[in-house]
Amino acid sequence: DTAVSQTPKYLVTQMGNDKSIKCEQNLGHDTMYWYKQDSKKFLKIMFSYNNKELIINETVPNRFSPKSPDKAHLNLHINSLELGDSAVYFCASSQGQFMNTEAFFGQGTRLTVV
Amino acid sequence: GESVGLHLPTLSVQEGDNSIINCAYSNSASDYFIWYKQESGKGPQFIIDIRSNMDKRQGQRVTVLLNKTVKHLSLQIAATQPGDSAVYFCAEKADYKLSFGAGTTVTVRA
Repeated sequence: DTAVSQTPKYLVTQMGNDKSIKCEQNLGHDTMYWYKQDSKKFLKIMFSYNNKELIINETVPNRFSPKSPDKAHLNLHINSLELGDSAVYFCASSQGQFMNTEAFFGQGTRLTVV
Repeated sequence: GESVGLHLPTLSVQEGDNSIINCAYSNSASDYFIWYKQESGKGPQFIIDIRSNMDKRQGQRVTVLLNKTVKHLSLQIAATQPGDSAVYFCAEKADYKLSFGAGTTVTVRA
């Protein structure tokens, strides 16, 4: 069983489109995250949710809107996609609110904006 | 093989040798540190962690050393195997979030 699963794995879309990435974790964790990995492999946190409540929003453009319908799901919706949004997006989860235990990562969604 | 300095993007090591990957972290308030391994096309995988009240922790074939005085973290891999080829990241926890350093690509030579 996959602990943190994201869909889709690959996403190719045109500039200006709106797209969503879904994430689900079956670990019973309280906190979920979205990270962005650029072409140089640098990983940067975007958002974190604890029990459906937004905890961290790291100066991400308003075009990015996370939504957590329940604590096992955290989706990422992106409006008006730009070329610079091309990256690999990782969902992750951890137990507790304060990041005192390791985060488990999904396999990533490679987004390519053309 | 050993990566030195603040950051070395790549490390090439002979199979069977020990590897040392170094990492300088930025926040003196960080109290929890994790090493992750990322293989091509996959998400980061947990290797080992250490809290700020410790200076050394050992796992299976891996050891993490923490020097808070100079804000330095290292990962030692014993008897490096081909399956250890990957990008390795150190991560520090501060302000309730995990921040990642730039990764080090480890290539194991047969």
